[in-house]
Amino acid sequence: DAGVIQSPRHEVTEMGQEVTLRCKPISGHNSLFWYRQTMMRGLELLIYFNNNVPIDDSGMPEDRFSAKMPNASFSTLKIQPSEPRDSAVYFCASSLGQSRVPYEQYFGPGTRLTVT
Amino acid sequence: SQQGEEDPQALSIQEGENATMNCSYKTSINNLQWYRQNSGRGLVHLILIRSNEREKHSGRLRVTLDTSKKSSSLLITASRAADTASYFCAHFYNQGGKLIFGQGTELSVKP
Repeated sequence: DAGVIQSPRHEVTEMGQEVTLRCKPISGHNSLFWYRQTMMRGLELLIYFNNNVPIDDSGMPEDRFSAKMPNASFSTLKIQPSEPRDSAVYFCASSLGQSRVPYEQYFGPGTRLTVT
Repeated sequence: SQQGEEDPQALSIQEGENATMNCSYKTSINNLQWYRQNSGRGLVHLILIRSNEREKHSGRLRVTLDTSKKSSSLLITASRAADTASYFCAHFYNQGGKLIFGQGTELSVKP
């Protein structure tokens, strides 16, 4: 199994530009999570999907952030327009289970985003 | 905040010594999980302990859970330089699917 796949691994962009991060979860997993990790705030859950439906997006910082999961094998996290404070490592994770059946999460390698 | 707390924030030991990390949480839980993160990598699940369990072992890992104190500990025995990483505890928020991570303990094992 290839594990959770994220692309790109590194992204450097200028303030104001649109950024799209991509994630392919492990085949057969029905829950997908987007996290952001910074030194100051640690690991924060931004949004999670169950069976392609967004369940909790309370962690999405503001309207500049949006996430979609058009099918079970693909999700995107978009930031538009990007700002320097968005610089962080963004992780995608997937798990097998429904919202009330807890399972371990499998993390991708992350996308390191730098906004200048 | 529902975020758990971990201590110590950083721990430095010599190879062969045992490393103990502690985690406290605020809500009732069904289970608690521990994850490891090597520098520049994603988190990797290590072990899950259910609320009706008091202790669980996996190789050199030993996890304890005290639900009355809302705390857990992770013990790594006979540590190796390759154990150098950050370790996070995590629990589900309000019985749902939202996993809450602690701030982590940064472990450094010196050869």
